[in-house]
Amino acid sequence: EVQVSESGGGLVQPGGSLRLSCAASGFPFNTFDMSWVRQAPGKGLDWVSVILGRDDSTYYADSVKGRFTISKDKSTNTLFLQMNSLRAEDTAVYYCTKGAWLDSWGQGTLVTVSS
Amino acid sequence: IQVTQSPSSLSASLGDRVTITCRASQGIGDRLSWYQQKPGKAPERLIHATSNLESGVPSRFSGSASGTEFTLTLSGLQPEDFATYYCLQHDRFPFTFGQGTKLEIK
Repeated sequence: EVQVSESGGGLVQPGGSLRLSCAASGFPFNTFDMSWVRQAPGKGLDWVSVILGRDDSTYYADSVKGRFTISKDKSTNTLFLQMNSLRAEDTAVYYCTKGAWLDSWGQGTLVTVSS
Repeated sequence: IQVTQSPSSLSASLGDRVTITCRASQGIGDRLSWYQQKPGKAPERLIHATSNLESGVPSRFSGSASGTEFTLTLSGLQPEDFATYYCLQHDRFPFTFGQGTKLEIK
């Protein structure tokens, strides 16, 4: 059974940093694309980033480019999202998803950026 | 690539047929998928690549396209269908979601 589970969310001050983790199981993690999607409170879905399974290429939304870094640890089947220079508008539930086409989702982890 | 989804909200009755539309700002082939989200839950993919239903998704859901306009059709609404629906273009990075359509019971 495919499972992805996020952790690492919390309250952080503007300008601060946070690293999200996503534990994956039930599929060959090393060969699959993996993505992050976020949803601000009461708002729609917002695509954030992807790391491609074939060559570890990474892509980002313009709103996070230069501040967020997606990576993965193939030895532990874990996906990461390093978030720096956080802003109030980054407040959201962050979802880890399997595949570039988002075929399986975790339950999300809440990131709150506030002083 | 911009994706414009309409309507933003929709009221319908059990058994009704409804359509939700996403229009892409440029050609994306068949690279658009649909997701359903219920309150307090993570989204789930319903349809990938325009018209391919996920395993377990009822056949009352269908997807189609004409050029850059994509349509999600629900035929014979059931209580569990009242939710928010999103489309996603996955032709070119950065991928982009539509704004969402909240389907409510009339």
